[in-house]
Amino acid sequence: AQSVTQPDIHITVSEGASLELRCNYSYGATPYLFWYVQSPGQGLQLLLKYFSGDTLVQGIKGFEAEFKRSQSSFNLRKPSVHWSDAAEYFCAVGTTSGTYKYIFGTGTRLKVLA
Amino acid sequence: DARVTQTPRHKVTEMGQEVTMRCQPILGHNTVFWYRQTMMQGLELLAYFRNRAPLDDSGMPKDRFSAEMPDATLATLKIQPSEPRDSAVYFCASGSGTGGWTGELFFGEGSRLTVL
Repeated sequence: AQSVTQPDIHITVSEGASLELRCNYSYGATPYLFWYVQSPGQGLQLLLKYFSGDTLVQGIKGFEAEFKRSQSSFNLRKPSVHWSDAAEYFCAVGTTSGTYKYIFGTGTRLKVLA
Repeated sequence: DARVTQTPRHKVTEMGQEVTMRCQPILGHNTVFWYRQTMMQGLELLAYFRNRAPLDDSGMPKDRFSAEMPDATLATLKIQPSEPRDSAVYFCASGSGTGGWTGELFFGEGSRLTVL
């Protein structure tokens, strides 16, 4: 069965510091991988996605993520965090056949200190 | 700007009442998902449809929840009777799921349900 694990429930970083949010997945084949961001009171917005090819993908708002097959990971990074990045971040796995099902992780809430 | 529209944005009701939430997916999208978000459980997939046909509703409590797509522009999620434990934010999301699968889901702003 597919699953997604985000081991960090909360992360606090100072503005200007670098950020890495962890995501591990379980899926029998090469999955589609996604990171979404949710601001308070809002729906989720896609940051970036990986389907195939280059394992380092760039997204919006200066985010990037690296797919590591050997570690079943898809960690999200940003070199310098801005106060406006405070939000909840969700990693998701999409199945690559049949029903294109999406499974979300439990989310990581990011707090940014001024 | 194409977007997913959900109504109502907020709903407060009493236990035992029927609740209907509506979703208008982005025009041309043929895949619709319903998710429930709570602090304890995070995002739970309740049901999803492709071309208006239900593909998976295994995450939905069948005794009180029902989901339908009466037409391509409307998806509904109904709870009858509602219970306090149904209090949550319900999200609808749509995407393009055949041929040019982009993999991106577009989320509505959610319907916040409070059952007293």
